[in-house]
Amino acid sequence: QKEVEQDPGPLSVPEGAIVSLNCTYSNSAFQYFMWYRQYSRKGPELLMYTYSSGNKEDGRFTAQVDKSSKYISLFIRDSQPSDSATYLCAMSWNNNDMRFGAGTRLTVKP
Amino acid sequence: GAVVSQHPSWVICKSGTSVKIECRSLDFQATTMFWYRQFPKQSLMLMATSNEGSKATYEQGVEKDKFLINHASLTLSTLTVTSAHPEDSSFYICSAADRGPGNTIYFGEGSWLTVV
Repeated sequence: QKEVEQDPGPLSVPEGAIVSLNCTYSNSAFQYFMWYRQYSRKGPELLMYTYSSGNKEDGRFTAQVDKSSKYISLFIRDSQPSDSATYLCAMSWNNNDMRFGAGTRLTVKP
Repeated sequence: GAVVSQHPSWVICKSGTSVKIECRSLDFQATTMFWYRQFPKQSLMLMATSNEGSKATYEQGVEKDKFLINHASLTLSTLTVTSAHPEDSSFYICSAADRGPGNTIYFGEGSWLTVV
């Protein structure tokens, strides 16, 4: 079993839709949870960073962590074509060693 | 915000030659930097953890003599692919740990290596 599971998609939604991206994990030692956005042929860009269970909101993005279920989510409201990218979840037990999900390819169609 | 710079962003080299990729943290000191490689449509694979002033820690299966890592200062780490072969062609990405108030990890833009 992989430490971090993420559905690679691809996921295609119409502009304006709410997007839900998810990851599950098996290592209960993970304490730090991150979402990165990666455009084609570019390095990953940090979107959201959370430490505890619960929700964290930043603009159109909401990150949700449920440690009891070992499940994290990223919601994108009012999705835009510019949101089309690969979204990687990442987690760490010491904010040093990170484990990544496979990445979900998202396309938002105008 | 914090910026991590990689150079070159793309390079083409002949088989058998060596290529050096630089990773710099531009506005913070990074005691720890990480090197990843990423094949098309796949996730990031950690190659090694680079600690300033000490030897890098390599992940299982990564040849330390082929992928030389040097972290000579708090803002610079280099990855040298020695005697490159076509199968080394990949996207190489570095990241740097900012231990300041943000306490998070930022990625460089990546370097595309093509070995012909």
